[in-house]
Amino acid sequence: AQSVTQLDSHVSVSEGTPVLLRCNYSSSYSPSLFWYVQHPNKGLQLLLKYTSAATLVKGINGFEAEFKKSETSFHLTKPSAHMSDAAEYFCVVRGYSSASKIIFGSGTRLSIRP
Amino acid sequence: EAQVTQNPRYLITVTGKKLTVTCSQNMNHEYMSWYRQDPGLGLRQIYYSMNVEVTDKGDVPEGYKVSRKEKRNFPLILESPSPNQTSLYFCASSPGAPPDTGELFFGEGSRLTVL
Repeated sequence: AQSVTQLDSHVSVSEGTPVLLRCNYSSSYSPSLFWYVQHPNKGLQLLLKYTSAATLVKGINGFEAEFKKSETSFHLTKPSAHMSDAAEYFCVVRGYSSASKIIFGSGTRLSIRP
Repeated sequence: EAQVTQNPRYLITVTGKKLTVTCSQNMNHEYMSWYRQDPGLGLRQIYYSMNVEVTDKGDVPEGYKVSRKEKRNFPLILESPSPNQTSLYFCASSPGAPPDTGELFFGEGSRLTVL
């Protein structure tokens, strides 16, 4: 069975400081992992994805995530937050099974303080 | 432009009045899916479709129906809407069905209020 847990429902950082959004997953097989971003009143946009290639994945807008199998984690980071990063972020797991469904975390709301 | 299009974007209706939310994708994707988004719960899958005429229940299918008669369209039907179906709905598509591990492409969302 697959599951995904986003450890923080809300993260607040100051502009220019690092961002860390935490995600832990559970999967019976080697999963694919994704981070999506949702700005207010918008659909979801792909930030980055891991599909068993390099464990450090770079995405759009300066975000990156590292797949750590031993810790079953896929945390999202950014060195320096920008006001435009304020949004909801979702960690998603998609397993390698013909019957697998796509599981979303409950989301982390990122606020940026001026 | 490659996109997933949902209609309507906003709808207010009354209990029991049947409604359909349409979803269309122009990318020739095999996999399509419907989600509802509620505060604190993330996105929960309602139904998904691996291909034409192949649909299956997700995690919260009660009160919903779907059909997949054409590859590009995947409408969500609420036969008798109730207030607990007030939510934000998203349609999504992907180039292949699992075990393909490609990304999902999302529509802009449909905000439904049932009075």
